[in-house]
Amino acid sequence: AQSVAQPEDQVNVAEGNPLTVKCTYSVSGNPYLFWYVQYPNRGLQFLLKYITGDNLVKGSYGFEAEFNKSQTSFHLKKPSALVSDSALYFCAVRPPHGSSNTGKLIFGQGTTLQVKP
Amino acid sequence: EAGVVQSPRYKIIEKKQPVAFWCNPISGHNTLYWYLQNLGQGPELLIRYENEEAVDDSQLPKDRFSAERLKGVDSTLKIQPAELGDSAVYLCASSLGTTSYEQYFGPGTRLTVT
Repeated sequence: AQSVAQPEDQVNVAEGNPLTVKCTYSVSGNPYLFWYVQYPNRGLQFLLKYITGDNLVKGSYGFEAEFNKSQTSFHLKKPSALVSDSALYFCAVRPPHGSSNTGKLIFGQGTTLQVKP
Repeated sequence: EAGVVQSPRYKIIEKKQPVAFWCNPISGHNTLYWYLQNLGQGPELLIRYENEEAVDDSQLPKDRFSAERLKGVDSTLKIQPAELGDSAVYLCASSLGTTSYEQYFGPGTRLTVT
């Protein structure tokens, strides 16, 4: 079955420290991987994506993510966290073209990031 | 560029009543999605449209849910009759097409069924 796992319900980090939000996936082939952020009472905002190429992708607001095919992971990172980064983060996978469900995003359960001053 | 617009933002209804949600995608986006987001969970796809055609509605509970996308632009999602378990956030998203990767989400409609 195709799935995405975010093993941490919440991540706490002090402002200025690096942060990592973990994501692993179970999809056959070479999937497309995404991170979205959701602020209270707002829709999801696209942060970054991995389609192909360099395993380290850079996105909005200083975030980056590292694709690791052998570990089927796509962890979200930021070198220096800001209080304003506090939000709910979702990892999502899109099965590759030619596979079933290629048009849909499969989301993880989300990880709440709390950055404290 | 205007984003995905959804209305209403909030809706409270009694069980067994009908309810409808409306979505206006980003101009030029051919693909439209409706997602259901339960509290504390990630969104789950209900239905995907390519222009006017529903190409994936496998997760749509067709006994009470229906959707349409007339003229391949705006879309309406309907529940009739609503049940207590339908309380959730209903998200609409759009993308340029199946070969485009980013989906852009609207703010959602928070439905409460009492």
